[in-house]
Amino acid sequence: GENVEQHPSTLSVQEGDSAVIKCTYSDSASNYFPWYKQELGKRPQLIIDIRSNVGEKKDQRIAVTLNKTAKHFSLHITETQPEDSAVYFCAASWNYGGSQGNLIFGKGTKLSVKP
Amino acid sequence: ETGVTQTPRHLVMGMTNKKSLKCEQHLGHNAMYWYKQSAKKPLELMFVYSLEERVENNSVPSRFSPECPNSSHLFLHLHTLQPEDSALYLCASSDLFGNGYTFGSGTRLTVV
Repeated sequence: GENVEQHPSTLSVQEGDSAVIKCTYSDSASNYFPWYKQELGKRPQLIIDIRSNVGEKKDQRIAVTLNKTAKHFSLHITETQPEDSAVYFCAASWNYGGSQGNLIFGKGTKLSVKP
Repeated sequence: ETGVTQTPRHLVMGMTNKKSLKCEQHLGHNAMYWYKQSAKKPLELMFVYSLEERVENNSVPSRFSPECPNSSHLFLHLHTLQPEDSALYLCASSDLFGNGYTFGSGTRLTVV
């Protein structure tokens, strides 16, 4: 089955700096890679996702890159702000036609942005 | 609310009690999930239902019993739990292809 490794487990940056979180996956059939942000005491919420037919996707200060050959994908946050402080989870799954695999999550990265 | 509602938000129960967690989704999804979130395993998949049929049970102890009476509702029945079962229990839903994956706010369970 799929296994997702996420690093680092904690990350502390200064406001305005960039933050990068990396994940690797094991199942080459995986083709969908979402990222979730979970603020303290709240539910995980989807912030960006990427499918295997593209290598990069951006949404304002957030970008995700995917390297299918190496089976890793990364979340990049630029110009970090204190409100970016949260736990971030990567995940991987597959879906083809009428079938899908389960979403398997990494163990999370606690990001702290210091003002 | 995101369209996935969980009740109760907090629950304290003794080890001999029986209680149920409820999840309801208003997104038209056909797949629902239970996750356990704790310090040891941040997002641990417990059960998967697709079109009201259980399709996965990730070696979860029998003291946890899920029920999916229809595509909008999911329950987790709890009995004779252990203190180590204390955690945040998250429900999620998606379409059959895993799109639109949405979490509920969770039930914070404490077993005393």
